[in-house]
Amino acid sequence: EIVMTQSPATLSVSPGERATLSCRASQSISSNLAWYQQKPGQAPRLLIYGASTRASGIPARFSGSGSGTEFSLTISSLQSEDFAVYYCQQYNYFFGQGTKLEIK
Amino acid sequence: QVQLVQSGAEVKKPGASVQVSCKASGYTFTTYAMHWVRQAPGQRLEWMGWINAGNGNTKYSKRFQGRVTFTSDTSASTAYMELSSLRSEDTALYYCARGIAGYDHWGQGTLVTVSS
Repeated sequence: EIVMTQSPATLSVSPGERATLSCRASQSISSNLAWYQQKPGQAPRLLIYGASTRASGIPARFSGSGSGTEFSLTISSLQSEDFAVYYCQQYNYFFGQGTKLEIK
Repeated sequence: QVQLVQSGAEVKKPGASVQVSCKASGYTFTTYAMHWVRQAPGQRLEWMGWINAGNGNTKYSKRFQGRVTFTSDTSASTAYMELSSLRSEDTALYYCARGIAGYDHWGQGTLVTVSS
């Protein structure tokens, strides 16, 4: 079983600044990684698949990178609507524990 | 447009079973697997498994194996998740989600509360 570990647990960033979230797999998953955003009371929303491809309708300020065991999600200039919890997932299997992105 | 509409909230006693349905529309049901994910209050997303809606093949998380069953009715474009031997720790929001490379559409979630 592959374990997905996200860091940090909480990230405090000011609007307009850049945020970088990390995700590590316990063994190589190639580029089989997705990122999701979840806001309170809502279902998750797919942001990135294939580690770096933005899903339909996702703004260009969201970007993903990495392969193998190390991945990151970068939000280039934070907007108010971006403050949420972010999860990574090995395709169709386990999720990381989430990173809460909060306003500094 | 693609929609996944789940059945309503359930309250069950410990030891009982619950079945959650997920009706799909806006796409060919049999061309995508249907995945199930749950989220306990304030907790992380937890992958439960998936069913190939075309041929009925299933994959279950070891954490739920033996207690969970996924089925699908292609004539009704509906997937089902049944969880048995419920305990209080199963209280959660249960989601169905469509996906191949990540889950691009999600149901609205079904709250299952297990309480004596």
